[in-house]
Amino acid sequence: QSVLIQSPSASGTPGQRVTISCSGSGSNIGKNTVNWFQQLPGTAPKLLIYSNDQRPSGVPDRFSGSKSGTSASLAISGLQSEDEADYYCAAWDDSLNYVFGIGTKVTVL
Amino acid sequence: QVQLQESGPGLVKPSETLSLTCAVSGGSIKIGSFYWSWIRQPAGKGLEWIGRIFPTGSTDYNPSLKSRVTISMDTSKNQFSLRLTSVTAADTAVYYCAVGVTLIPGWLDPWGQGTLVAVSS
Repeated sequence: QSVLIQSPSASGTPGQRVTISCSGSGSNIGKNTVNWFQQLPGTAPKLLIYSNDQRPSGVPDRFSGSKSGTSASLAISGLQSEDEADYYCAAWDDSLNYVFGIGTKVTVL
Repeated sequence: QVQLQESGPGLVKPSETLSLTCAVSGGSIKIGSFYWSWIRQPAGKGLEWIGRIFPTGSTDYNPSLKSRVTISMDTSKNQFSLRLTSVTAADTAVYYCAVGVTLIPGWLDPWGQGTLVAVSS
């Protein structure tokens, strides 16, 4: 079972802003940076955000990340149909284990 | 751009050993700024980190799998491998390999396309 808690689903209409939360503890998010991965249907995950709020080259600036204490958030502004995917947060844990959240399925209505 | 490709048997019998290989192209696995990871995903479920190997040969494993996992590398073939012993149906999953960047904690990108391994008699 995952040590990072995410709401199972989120949805919005095109153009809306959607926020996904990720809750951890002092042994993971509280001490280490958070990364976010996007997994489009039937494909491998792709790194979306690293070091809490940094976007890899090629990731649209519609995607933004933040972290506060033992929680982190991913925001998608100007939601588009191609953003329909599963989103996972992840962070290193004190136990030297890289832990993922359970994933949030984003649906574009 | 580094590319990764997993390969191995798609079916493994219970209690046997799962063995997979990740072939790396577009870059050397000996580069010190990278490390090489395995991650798995049961059907319809989330991601589970299995472990990683550094170019030095040093490894880290998920504590829940540590007693059954070995990750190794073959620099002559520019590939790294996963061995998981004593498998059960719970090990049925899509297995991915991915590259990490040493100076950016948790960076995993790019990933291979994944390979499905079923554990069944």
